[in-house]
Amino acid sequence: DGGITQSPKYLFRKEGQNVTLSCEQNLNHDAMYWYRQDPGQGLRLIYYSQIVNDFQKGDIAEGYSVSREKKESFPLTVTSAQKNPTAFYLCASSMFDEQFFGPGTRLTVL
Amino acid sequence: QKEVEQNSGPLSVPEGAIASLNCTYSDRGSQSFFWYRQYSGKSPELIMSIYSNGDKEDGRFTAQLNKASQYVSLLIRDSQPSDSATYLCAAPRRGAGSYQLTFGKGTKLSVIP
Repeated sequence: DGGITQSPKYLFRKEGQNVTLSCEQNLNHDAMYWYRQDPGQGLRLIYYSQIVNDFQKGDIAEGYSVSREKKESFPLTVTSAQKNPTAFYLCASSMFDEQFFGPGTRLTVL
Repeated sequence: QKEVEQNSGPLSVPEGAIASLNCTYSDRGSQSFFWYRQYSGKSPELIMSIYSNGDKEDGRFTAQLNKASQYVSLLIRDSQPSDSATYLCAAPRRGAGSYQLTFGKGTKLSVIP
């Protein structure tokens, strides 16, 4: 079954903690993306990666970090520097311009 | 001007009617457009891609692109309650060197039984 998986589905973070969201795809896509979605807001791009070992900041990269050591994996770390991290986080991948999304991780700060 | 704009709705239509969702974009050079459906609490699902002027049909869905007027629309025929969702329009991001997309904020559709 080809697709994009994200884990965990729900994540709770205490103030001052770093947390890492997992994103894996077996679609053999070169590009991967991380978005954040807040209620009533559109999708905002956090980071993207076009190839392994390369990634670029999106519109709201502050307080986040990523790595791309394997084609299949693009984990996102939400650091303690991100002041308002409660949101729905979506990972996507694409070969060309059609992007396909994983099921998302809902992060809540306690 | 925002790159992609949509009416946030909500748009309410009776079951069996045609739902018409509209999107305008600012970059005249955009060549491809996408419609995503997002159910409450779920992730967006790609339902239509359109690359050339005119209509593209897929089952009950028809995407319409008018590059001269810079709008793209999605028609849903014989609307069903299961079509109730937020519909996102997306276009290639202006000036981006990669396959980045810019998304509208979405139009919430309610189909009334």
